[in-house]
Amino acid sequence: KAGVTQTPRYLIKTRGQQVTLSCSPISGHRSVSWYQQTPGQGLQFLFEYFSETQRNKGNFPGRFSGRQFSNSRSEMNVSTLELGDSALYLCASQGGSDTQYFGPGTRLTVL
Amino acid sequence: AQTVTQSQPEMSVQEAETVTLSCTYDTSESDYYLFWYKQPPSRQMILVIRQEAYKQQNATENRFSVNFQKAAKSFSLKISDSQLGDAAMYFCAYRHLNSGGSNYKLTFGKGTLLTVNP
Repeated sequence: KAGVTQTPRYLIKTRGQQVTLSCSPISGHRSVSWYQQTPGQGLQFLFEYFSETQRNKGNFPGRFSGRQFSNSRSEMNVSTLELGDSALYLCASQGGSDTQYFGPGTRLTVL
Repeated sequence: AQTVTQSQPEMSVQEAETVTLSCTYDTSESDYYLFWYKQPPSRQMILVIRQEAYKQQNATENRFSVNFQKAAKSFSLKISDSQLGDAAMYFCAYRHLNSGGSNYKLTFGKGTLLTVNP
């Protein structure tokens, strides 16, 4: 099976802009989780979607949102970008094995 | 809230030697999963090993094994016969196992950077 794919891999934006990141899970996996990784805060949970429904949300402002489509692909959106949003955004998918498999990440730089 | 602590920010090991990375966690739950993930410079997070808390037997995967001490809330990773390709950041992670499986959130430690010297 193909692994988790994330697009784009790299992104440069300026403050105030918005950005959309995409994640395609492993075929057959219905759960997609998003994490933000920064040197200061480490890995932090953003949210998790299962069958197009958000089941869990981390402690992030409302500027961070997401959605999941019927084919399990997920997108996350960050509006009104701030310098502190610069990070590696990781997506993970989970099937019936209770293990999350991660994509290669999208590195977002906000200038 | 669950917390995961990795007390060793950096470790180093000689090639072919054995190294142990430490992880402790805090939870009031009795059923949960613990994981070790590896993140090499490519930044791809790779699963190393998984342990279910209800299993007393320690998990092993080839050269990787864990020492799971549930009462002490300790979950260390032992890497035997270390190889240059083992050099990476290693993260310990916790996931609660709730009924219905509706909570897939992983809580991570801060990571341990492992260097393997030739």
